[in-house]
Amino acid sequence: KAGVTQTPRYLIKTRGQQVTLSCSPISGHRSVSWYQQTPGQGLQFLFEYFSETQRNKGNFPGRFSGRQFSNSRSEMNVSTLELGDSALYLCASSLVAGGRGEQFFGPGTRLTVL
Amino acid sequence: KQEVTQIPAALSVPEGENLVLNCSFTDSAIYNLQWFRQDPGKGLTSLLLIQSSQREQTSGRLNASLDKSSGRSTLYIAASQPGDSATYLCAVDYGGSQGNLIFGKGTKLSVKP
Repeated sequence: KAGVTQTPRYLIKTRGQQVTLSCSPISGHRSVSWYQQTPGQGLQFLFEYFSETQRNKGNFPGRFSGRQFSNSRSEMNVSTLELGDSALYLCASSLVAGGRGEQFFGPGTRLTVL
Repeated sequence: KQEVTQIPAALSVPEGENLVLNCSFTDSAIYNLQWFRQDPGKGLTSLLLIQSSQREQTSGRLNASLDKSSGRSTLYIAASQPGDSATYLCAVDYGGSQGNLIFGKGTKLSVKP
């Protein structure tokens, strides 16, 4: 059974640009959550999608947005990039909504903003 | 504020030792608690999931316990090996409307040969 996949694995962007990250969940999983990981703040919740609907959103500015497609694949977009957006972005998939079920994480996308 | 704390932040042990990693949470009304392992620059690997109705879970050399009344969970690693070296993260689902995991900052474990 294939795990959670994320593309691209690495990205280098400059301030002001925008970026789109992709996450494909484990087959059959309908919940996809996104997290930002930085050395200072650790892992912080961005948002969760379940059956194409955003269920929850963390405390991040509106520059961070996402969506989920009918095949459960999810994308997150960050507009007007800032230096502080440099981080490892992780997505997790689960069979059920919220944190109720076991969460399975992808390898992450390392975003560097110059 | 719902928080998760992991102490110590780093731990170094010789190979073969049994060890315990600690996780504490501020609200006993949790839905479940999950332990993860993260290797440098990599994603998270799920180790054990404990539902709020359970007291412990075991997988191979790993045993995780949950004490909601004291707001604590421990991850016990038996007969540690150099391959166990990684950062171990504890995450709590506090339930309610949020439905997302709250993570501790992790314990960085180094097992010396």
